[in-house]
Amino acid sequence: AQKVTQAQTEISVVEKEDVTLDCVYETRDTTYYLFWYKQPPSGELVFLIRRNSFDEQNEISGRYSWNFQKSTSSFNFTITASQVVDSAVYFCALSEARTGGGADGLTFGKGTHLIIQP
Amino acid sequence: NAGVTQTPKFQVLKTGQSMTLQCAQDMNHEYMSWYRQDPGMGLRLIHYSVGAGITDQGEVPNGYNVSRSTTEDFPLRLLSAAPSQTSVYFCASRSGAHQPQHFGDGTRLSIL
Repeated sequence: AQKVTQAQTEISVVEKEDVTLDCVYETRDTTYYLFWYKQPPSGELVFLIRRNSFDEQNEISGRYSWNFQKSTSSFNFTITASQVVDSAVYFCALSEARTGGGADGLTFGKGTHLIIQP
Repeated sequence: NAGVTQTPKFQVLKTGQSMTLQCAQDMNHEYMSWYRQDPGMGLRLIHYSVGAGITDQGEVPNGYNVSRSTTEDFPLRLLSAAPSQTSVYFCASRSGAHQPQHFGDGTRLSIL
């Protein structure tokens, strides 16, 4: 069965510090997709990134970067020079391309609550 | 674009009552899903649909019913509300099996 583990329940850092959110996944499939979502205090879920299992290139988008390592089944998320507006719950999620074709949606981790203190 | 619209935003029910959470999307997405979010549990899949007339169960389907008569709408029915169904419910749609999900703003449901 697929599983996503976000071991860090809560992280608190001071503004401008760098912070890394860990995500470890389990899957039997060779083809799968990984996602990160942000849930700010207002409650909506915001898509950040999707990565497929065949693309291990790291990605950078402004202050955000993602490190995908199949060897360790990890898809970690780093925020550089954190800001108060980054305070949110961040979810890592997995979608498998198995017999059902991934139609049944995402398996989410339990989330990491990131607090950026001014 | 409205995206995914959920109604109501808040609801309080008594145990045993039934109700329908509405979800509509205007992006012509075939795939739609319902999740519930509980503290410390992340989001868990309740039911999903891959097109009009096709639905299936997710991880936590008990006590819920769905139908998909049109591409746009995917209502979630609570048959006989129980306190364990107190949660925040999110509806989502996407254009393909592994495409990013577009979420509604959620419905906060309390069962007394």
